[in-house]
Amino acid sequence: QKEVEQDPGPLSVPEGAIVSLNCTYSNSAFQYFMWYRQYSRKGPELLMYTYSSGNKEDGRFTAQVDKSSKYISLFIRDSQPSDSATYLCAMSWNSGNTPLVFGKGTRLSVIA
Amino acid sequence: DAGITQSPRHKVTETGTPVTLRCHQTENHRYMYWYRQDPGHGLRLIHYSYGVKDTDKGEVSDGYSVSRSKTEDFLLTLESATSSQTSVYFCAISDGGLARTGELFFGEGSRLTVL
Repeated sequence: QKEVEQDPGPLSVPEGAIVSLNCTYSNSAFQYFMWYRQYSRKGPELLMYTYSSGNKEDGRFTAQVDKSSKYISLFIRDSQPSDSATYLCAMSWNSGNTPLVFGKGTRLSVIA
Repeated sequence: DAGITQSPRHKVTETGTPVTLRCHQTENHRYMYWYRQDPGHGLRLIHYSYGVKDTDKGEVSDGYSVSRSKTEDFLLTLESATSSQTSVYFCAISDGGLARTGELFFGEGSRLTVL
């Protein structure tokens, strides 16, 4: 079993929809959780960062972490065509610089 | 945008030939990473460096070697390329605050095709 599981999609939604993206993980030691966004033929860029459990909101984006279920989510409200990208979850267990463990990414298309 | 330059951006080569990919940064960040990205596998760590001449293996290091003789440059070498190494390779850097911010800065990627 891979440490981080993420449904690769693709996921297609109409403009304005609420999008829910999810990852599950097996290592209960993970404490640091991130979401990266990757546009086609570009490198990933950090979108959201959360430490431990709870919610974090940034504009139309909300990241949730449920450590008891080993489950993290990214919600996108009022989705826009510009949100069309691949979204990768990532996580780490170490407070130092242990390399991140990435999910496979979910490809999202928002249709105008 | 973080100052990361990967070269070459595109390369086609034949099986058995050596290939070197270069990552150059202007941010003076201590940590540098090489990932490969493949459909169905996502991003997988090949090697990383935590300082000049200090490197460690990642998840998929077989068939790859790295060198870092200067803070700004991190080289990835395929000694004898195979078709299974056809991939998009990403370099990433961090300033030591990875746990604090979760932020890796990625380059634009190098697309390698091994025929």
